[in-house]
Amino acid sequence: DTTVKQNPRYKLARVGKPVNLICSQTMNHDTMYWYQKKPNQAPKLLLFYYDKILNREADTFEKFQSSRPNNSFCSLYIGSAGLEYSAMYLCASSRRDRGTEVFFGKGTRLTVV
Amino acid sequence: QQQVRQSSQSLTVWEGETAILNCSYENSAFDYFPWYQQFPGEGPALLIAIRSVSDKKEDGRFTIFFNKREKNLSLHIKDSQPGDSATYFCAAKMNYNQGKLIFGQGTKLSIKP
Repeated sequence: DTTVKQNPRYKLARVGKPVNLICSQTMNHDTMYWYQKKPNQAPKLLLFYYDKILNREADTFEKFQSSRPNNSFCSLYIGSAGLEYSAMYLCASSRRDRGTEVFFGKGTRLTVV
Repeated sequence: QQQVRQSSQSLTVWEGETAILNCSYENSAFDYFPWYQQFPGEGPALLIAIRSVSDKKEDGRFTIFFNKREKNLSLHIKDSQPGDSATYFCAAKMNYNQGKLIFGQGTKLSIKP
């Protein structure tokens, strides 16, 4: 099974409210990533876990949190959603010793109103 | 700062023609260049990739041509078919087996029957 699962597929949130997105994989991948994709823009890496070590991009450091309670699960947390957070959020995973392929989930479309 | 650029947001070709999707990059330290294919409602999936030590990579109807001196590459889809209609993302990585993928903004390819 080479799938990365994301829940939910669609999420509606109110401005100022928290949002939690979930991702899972059963490929025993050591690295899990979260990307943000807006229309006509490149997918933008927000953060990634290598094993239990979280790496956050400098320009999104304050805006997103994440946790990885075990190897299979990873969450993306927004403490207070703003309109600018409306986007597709893509989770992905890979394994360092198994080559270069990064596997993506189908995404969660977040709409903040 | 857009480190990976795709020259067209959209491209339409007739069935049977060769579709050519172009990509350029800024950082000469990039070493690995995958192309991802994304169908509506699905996550991006690895289509074909090349490392900077090569100037050509072929896989069936799909060929990457890579020019390290000019810092550009192109994806050629020979004998294009309606099922090839999708969004294609060019991406780059500094180290082929670890690190983050930097994406271009994507080219939406439509194949007219």
